[in-house]
Amino acid sequence: DQQVKQNSPSLSVQEGRISILNCDYTNSMFDYFLWYKKYPAEGPTFLISISSIKDKNEDGRFTVFLNKSAKHLSLHIVPSQPGDSAVYFCAASRRSSNTGKLIFGQGTTLQVKP
Amino acid sequence: KAGVTQTPRYLIKTRGQQVTLSCSPISGHRSVSWYQQTPGQGLQFLFEYFSETQRNKGNFPGRFSGRQFSNSRSEMNVSTLELGDSALYLCASSLEGRHGSTDTQYFGPGTRLTVL
Repeated sequence: DQQVKQNSPSLSVQEGRISILNCDYTNSMFDYFLWYKKYPAEGPTFLISISSIKDKNEDGRFTVFLNKSAKHLSLHIVPSQPGDSAVYFCAASRRSSNTGKLIFGQGTTLQVKP
Repeated sequence: KAGVTQTPRYLIKTRGQQVTLSCSPISGHRSVSWYQQTPGQGLQFLFEYFSETQRNKGNFPGRFSGRQFSNSRSEMNVSTLELGDSALYLCASSLEGRHGSTDTQYFGPGTRLTVL
């Protein structure tokens, strides 16, 4: 049972345009969501997070939107840059349960073309 | 601050052997979690340690074990290695939040284990 899903394995956008990466979850007990960026043979790098009490969080070019009723979150990157090309993972946790366990989606490979 | 460090970065073992991987968390972080990444299964949670105690465990066989030391450094051990254990093993550390909840996890570069 995959509790966190990223249905698009890949996404290609032009430099300067917006990249939108999507993520769906099934467990309504999740209360904290994160996005990580990963290059091959490296560990994931934390990008941005959002608590379930919010519906939007911004950090520079990155914005995460959370729609709790739809159990859906998205990561917007504006403007996209070639250096953003990587695999993006969304992750969810039950932060309030103090478990330290992240459930990851399968990842979306983003390619930003110059 | 230095990030999460993992040693060794690469390891080659044969079936039946055992292996120990090491993780040093970010200074001040007391929670350490371990994950396995494979092409087929993605990133999967192995276990989490906090204050030298295993606080949560994923769905992995008992061959996978770990421990945490008083300085928060952690090790994981895999005994009787199988070909399917070939993976990138990632360690992540986090602070303990104000309300006792685990904060954002920061990952190390991983240890690439190859089992022949």
